[in-house]
Amino acid sequence: DSGVTQTPKHLITATGQRVTLRCSPRSGDLSVYWYQQSLDQGLQFLIQYYNGEERAKGNILERFSAQQFPDLHSELNLSSLELGDSALYFCASSEGDGYNSPLHFGNGTRLTVT
Amino acid sequence: AQTVTQSQPEMSVQEAETVTLSCTYDTSESDYYLFWYKQPPSRQMILVIRQEAYKQQNATENRFSVNFQKAAKSFSLKISDSQLGDAAMYFCAYTRAGNQFYFGTGTSLTVIP
Repeated sequence: DSGVTQTPKHLITATGQRVTLRCSPRSGDLSVYWYQQSLDQGLQFLIQYYNGEERAKGNILERFSAQQFPDLHSELNLSSLELGDSALYFCASSEGDGYNSPLHFGNGTRLTVT
Repeated sequence: AQTVTQSQPEMSVQEAETVTLSCTYDTSESDYYLFWYKQPPSRQMILVIRQEAYKQQNATENRFSVNFQKAAKSFSLKISDSQLGDAAMYFCAYTRAGNQFYFGTGTSLTVIP
């Protein structure tokens, strides 16, 4: 168990809808990262937060947004969903800002858009 | 921009044998970290091993070890005495201070009984 909790585990929704994915980092970890993994694909970095502040942005669509709250949990909001957004979304946390501490991954949220 | 390349999309190994997975990276930095992550069929991402660039000694974790060649920007993973449970997708990753993690495209490892 990595200590990173992601909810829900599975999500099925229709095109055009909006969903929110939730992540609770490991106790003591200040950084939260979001990654997208489509079927048989590698990990696409979406966004990173460190202690409530956005630290880095990757290939995140404008329809997607995220935030990290004062208690350090994070939410990833996906709106106007398209079939191509179907993927496994990982949250990961690390102690620092991603340098000398590894990422610890949650079990992912599998999003299916129909 | 930093890139991580895994040139072997698929590899296979006989049970109890040794296999080496390759990874190269591109960076102009001298201080950074490298990682190998394992993703079994359950899709969970599991940290296998990490290497600090300033350490010349290769990292080892039980049956897993790395061959870190800084000048060549190479970071290969050696799995000894392969077990059926080692079958997974393996991702190499790079990071440095204040930066995001960069992942390779992965190598799918099959262990043949």
